[in-house]
Formats: sequence, structure tokens, C-alpha cells
Amino acid sequence: DIVLTQSPGTLSLSPGERATLSCRASQSVTSSYLAWYQQKPGQPPRLLIYGASNRATGIPDRFTGSGSGTDFTLTISRLEPDDFAVYYCQQYVNSPPWTFGQGTKVEVK
Amino acid sequence: EVQLVESGGGLVKPGGSLRLSCAASGFTFSSYSIHWVRQAPGKGLQWVSSFSTSAYIFYADSVRGRFTISRDNAKNSLYLQMNSLRAEDTAVYYCARGGAKYGDDHLYVYWGQGTLVTVSS
Repeated sequence: DIVLTQSPGTLSLSPGERATLSCRASQSVTSSYLAWYQQKPGQPPRLLIYGASNRATGIPDRFTGSGSGTDFTLTISRLEPDDFAVYYCQQYVNSPPWTFGQGTKVEVK
Repeated sequence: EVQLVESGGGLVKPGGSLRLSCAASGFTFSSYSIHWVRQAPGKGLQWVSSFSTSAYIFYADSVRGRFTISRDNAKNSLYLQMNSLRAEDTAVYYCARGGAKYGDDHLYVYWGQGTLVTVSS
């Protein structure tokens, strides 16, 4: 199974600051089948990034995904009030189980 | 507009059964893999089961032998029959649709609002 480890667990930042979230895989994620989701309380997750670096439809360009192999990063260039949420990475390579990281909470400092 | 609406959650005793449904609209249901993903209270996301367009079925180890996924393309619906329920199955269960491109079957592009399953005596 591919284990995804996200760091840090919690990121305390102010609006306008830059957020850098990490996702490390226990083995290489082939074809960069790595996605990022945003989840707010009481809501389902929302797809932000797929293929490690492609923004999903309607996602603003302040969200950037990067990385390959076992190390991936989600960067939010300038945090807006709506960006404070929990972020999950997920690998979707072509064999089960399809796994998520444990999440990074971005909170207001 | 793509919509996924889950139903069937509720309170059930340990060892009991429940059947979840997911009604889909806004896309050609038979052309996409559909999945169940759950989230225990205050916890992260966990993939549960998938039903591909080619009728391949997959289960997480934690539910294999207890849960059964099915789909009815004529009714645009996905189901999850859950038997021998345990306290650790308590979670919000989300229905999610896969992507359109090759290789994106297990990319969860659209999600329903979820239905809460509580297993408690």
C-alpha cells in the first residue's frame, strides 16, 4: 500500500501569507497520479489539483501543485480568508487501495 | 450540473445492516467509475469501495466480506449494502465520481454531501 504522510499537521498563518504543504509517499506515485483536496467543516472535499500540478476547473491560480516521485507540494501563494481549511493529498495510481494523507489544517494565526 | 445525492444513513446497532444509495444526475452515469469514501468523526478520508465502468469491483480490506457495492445504470444509482456493522464503521459516507480521462478513474472529481452512519448500541 502507498502511505501518504502530510506535514505539517497544522499550519498557523495570517491572510496574505504563503502556505507550503508537503505530501510524501512511501513509494513512487507513478505518472504523478497525485491529487489535492480542500475540505471545510460540514462540507465534502473539493478537488483542487490533479496530476500533481494541474488545477481543477474553477480553482484560482494562487493554488499551485508541484513534485513527482515521492515528494509533492501544494503552495497557496497568498492566503485568502476562504482558504483556511483542511487539505488532503491522495494517490490514484491504477491499483487499490487508493489512499489519502492524514491532512494538513491551515488555520488563522 | 453534476449532482450526487446520498441517502440511507442512520443509527444502527453493532452487527446490524444498512443500505446506502447514491442518486446521480447531470452526466452519463454508465460512463464513469463511482466510489464510496468515508470519514469518521473528526478524522481523515478513507476510500471504501469502487465500481468501475467495466464492472470491476474493489473493496478496502477493512470492509471486504461485509460490504457489497452495486450499481444500476438504468436508475443512475450506486448502492452500498453494509452488513455486520462495527463501531469503527461510524462515519460520513460520501459518493464520489471518477474522472473522464484514462487513468483518472480513482480521481474523485465530484462528491455528494454525504450521509452519516452511526453504529452504536
